[in-house]
Amino acid sequence: GQQLNQSPQSMFIQEGEDVSMNCTSSSIFNTWLWYKQDPGEGPVLLIALYKAGELTSNGRLTAQFGITRKDSFLNISASIPSDVGIYFCAGQLGGSNYKLTFGKGTLLTVNP
Amino acid sequence: GAVVSQHPSWVICKSGTSVKIECRSLDFQATTMFWYRQFPKQSLMLMATSNEGSKATYEQGVEKDKFLINHASLTLSTLTVTSAHPEDSSFYICSARDSGTPVGPQHFGDGTRLSIL
Repeated sequence: GQQLNQSPQSMFIQEGEDVSMNCTSSSIFNTWLWYKQDPGEGPVLLIALYKAGELTSNGRLTAQFGITRKDSFLNISASIPSDVGIYFCAGQLGGSNYKLTFGKGTLLTVNP
Repeated sequence: GAVVSQHPSWVICKSGTSVKIECRSLDFQATTMFWYRQFPKQSLMLMATSNEGSKATYEQGVEKDKFLINHASLTLSTLTVTSAHPEDSSFYICSARDSGTPVGPQHFGDGTRLSIL
C-alpha cells in the first residue's frame, strides 16, 4: 500500500540534543499524526494535527501540519534517553475515511 | 482515557491451529476498529477495517477467509487467524477511534506477537 516518505530513517544523537524528523506525501491529508513505538508494544499517540499550518506542542515535542497539507515535521528538544524508539508519522484523509497511511519510521537512539 | 486493550499479548502454537486475538476499547465506543500487521523493522501495514455490525473491509492482498474479523459490539473486535502457518508469524496490532467524536486519532493496542511453529 501507499506509504509516506519519512526521514531520516535513523538518528544517533547525544542526550540533550534537539531532533527533527519529517514526512512528505504526494497527496493531501486532512489530519497528520505522530506516534512513538517502543519494542514489542503498540504505537502511542504523541501529537495530532487537524488544521493546515497548525503548530502544536506536547512537552518537549512540537509538530507542524504543513500549509500544503502534504507534509509534517516533528521536533524533540533536549532529548533524554527515554526518547529512544521508533517514531512514525501517519496521514488520514478524514471525512468518512479513517484509514491511516504510515511513514516507514525514524529509529531514534539517544546516547547518555 | 482512550485505552485500547489487546489480548493475548503473545501466542505460540502449532501449524494448523486457529488463533483468536481480541481488541477492546475500554473507555470509549468504537464503531470502527483497524487491524494491522507489522514485520520486524518495518512499518504498520493495514490488513482490514472492522465495522461494528457489518462485514469487515479487507485491504488488497489480504485473504478474508484466512483472517476472519468479527465486530459484534461497540467495544470489541476479534481477529481469527485460521489454520495458521509459519508465514503467518508476525506482530498483529489493532487500533480504534472514538466514534463519539467527529475527528479524533486512532489509539493502538499493545499488539500480539504470534509465532507459529
